[in-house]
Amino acid sequence: EAQVTQNPRYLITVTGKKLTVTCSQNMNHEYMSWYRQDPGLGLRQIYYSMNVEVTDKGDVPEGYKVSRKEKRNFPLILESPSPNQTSLYFCASTSRDRFNTEAFFGQGTRLTVV
Amino acid sequence: GEDVEQSLFLSVREGDSSVINCTYTDSSSTYLYWYKQEPGAGLQLLTYIFSNMDMKQDQRLTVLLNKKDKHLSLRIADTQTGDSAIYFCAESPGGYQKVTFGTGTKLQVIP
Repeated sequence: EAQVTQNPRYLITVTGKKLTVTCSQNMNHEYMSWYRQDPGLGLRQIYYSMNVEVTDKGDVPEGYKVSRKEKRNFPLILESPSPNQTSLYFCASTSRDRFNTEAFFGQGTRLTVV
Repeated sequence: GEDVEQSLFLSVREGDSSVINCTYTDSSSTYLYWYKQEPGAGLQLLTYIFSNMDMKQDQRLTVLLNKKDKHLSLRIADTQTGDSAIYFCAESPGGYQKVTFGTGTKLQVIP
C-alpha cells in the first residue's frame, strides 16, 4: 500500500529541546516536502527536496532543518523549538511524472511547544 | 509570490449542491488541484485540472476553471454528511514542483 508515514503523531515538548519528526515514503518518489498547517493560514511549505542530497527552503524555513540522505526518508529537525512552532505538520511526497502529480500526505504530527 | 485564496467556511444542507470557490494569482499555474482533509487526517487528492481545460467532471464533482479571472470552483452535487471536511485549493506551475495551497474551506453539511 502506498504510504507516507510520519512519527510521532503527537508530541509535547519544552522550549529549546531539540526534536526530530520522521517521514518515510514507500513509493520511490523523488520529491518530498514538509508543510505546517495553522488555522486561517492553510498549508505553508517549510522545506522541500527534489532528490537525495538536494533540499531547498520553502516559504517558512526559519527554525527548521531537513536532510535527505536516502530517497525514502525526509526528517524535519527543530534544533531549538519555540512556542510559535506549535502547529500541525505534514510530510508529502510526489512523483516527478508530469501526468501523475498527486501529492501523498502523511497523517500529520501535532506538535506543542511549551 | 503566489497566492491562493478561499473563503474559510461554507454550510449547506444534505442533498443540496455545494460550491467552493478559489482564486489564484500565479498566471503560470499549470496544475490546479482540490484536496480534501477529513478530521485528524492528512490531505487526499480529490481531483485536478490542467490550465488548458475549462471543466472536468468526476461523478458528483465538477471543477470549473476561468483562466482569465484566475478562478477555480469545485461543485459537489447531492452533498452528503460524509462530505464534511476541509477542502484545499492548490496550484503548481509544474506538477511535482512547488505547490501553493489555499487557506482551506471548511464545509459543514447539515442533516
